Amino acid sequence: GDSVTQTEGLVTLTKGLPVMLNCTYQTTYSPFLFWYVQHLNEAPKLLLKSSTDNKRTEHQGFYATLHKSSSSFHLQKSSVQLSDSALYFCALSDRWGSSGNKLIFGIGTLLSVKP
Amino acid sequence: ETAVFQTPNYHVTQVGNEVSFNCKQTLGHDTMYWYKQDSKKLLKIMFSYNNKQLIVNETVPRRFSPQSSDKAHLNLRIKSVEPEDSAVYLCASSPGTGGSQNTLYFGAGTRLSVL
Repeated sequence: GDSVTQTEGLVTLTKGLPVMLNCTYQTTYSPFLFWYVQHLNEAPKLLLKSSTDNKRTEHQGFYATLHKSSSSFHLQKSSVQLSDSALYFCALSDRWGSSGNKLIFGIGTLLSVKP
Repeated sequence: ETAVFQTPNYHVTQVGNEVSFNCKQTLGHDTMYWYKQDSKKLLKIMFSYNNKQLIVNETVPRRFSPQSSDKAHLNLRIKSVEPEDSAVYLCASSPGTGGSQNTLYFGAGTRLSVL
């Protein structure tokens, strides 16, 4: 079945350093990928999304590129801030809705940014 | 701004009691969802409704039952709660189904504690 893998449970960084959060997926359908961010005691919010192969998408300083050849959609930022400390979820949907209407979420990666 | 409203924010109850959670969205979306977020922060879909019709019904205990009066409202009833039901229940809506239409907008959640 469809699945999303986030390999890091916790990433701890010092402010100002770059970050990459890994996301790989498995699906037999045409993929649509999302990144959601959840700050402490808040609801998850959409960060960015894409279904276009090899095209970088950006939002709020974060960026990701969908690579269908490697089934990946890694989230990156060039310089993390204290306010980036949050839980980040990668999620997979089927681009055309053929596989059922649900997002499949990874287990989440907790990003902790230190001063 | 908040556009998916959930009540109550918190609920503490005892094993065996019945509880109900309410959700309303003002985004004009066609599809609504209930997700469960457990203590490990995993996001698991429970139900999905599209225009008041149940379209996703994951394997959840039969004591859980969703109720939709119109496409803007989706409630969740738990009949005879168990300790493992302690979690945050997140309501979400999306414009429709498939691809970008699956973009979820979450409510703030209802935190259930079962004593």
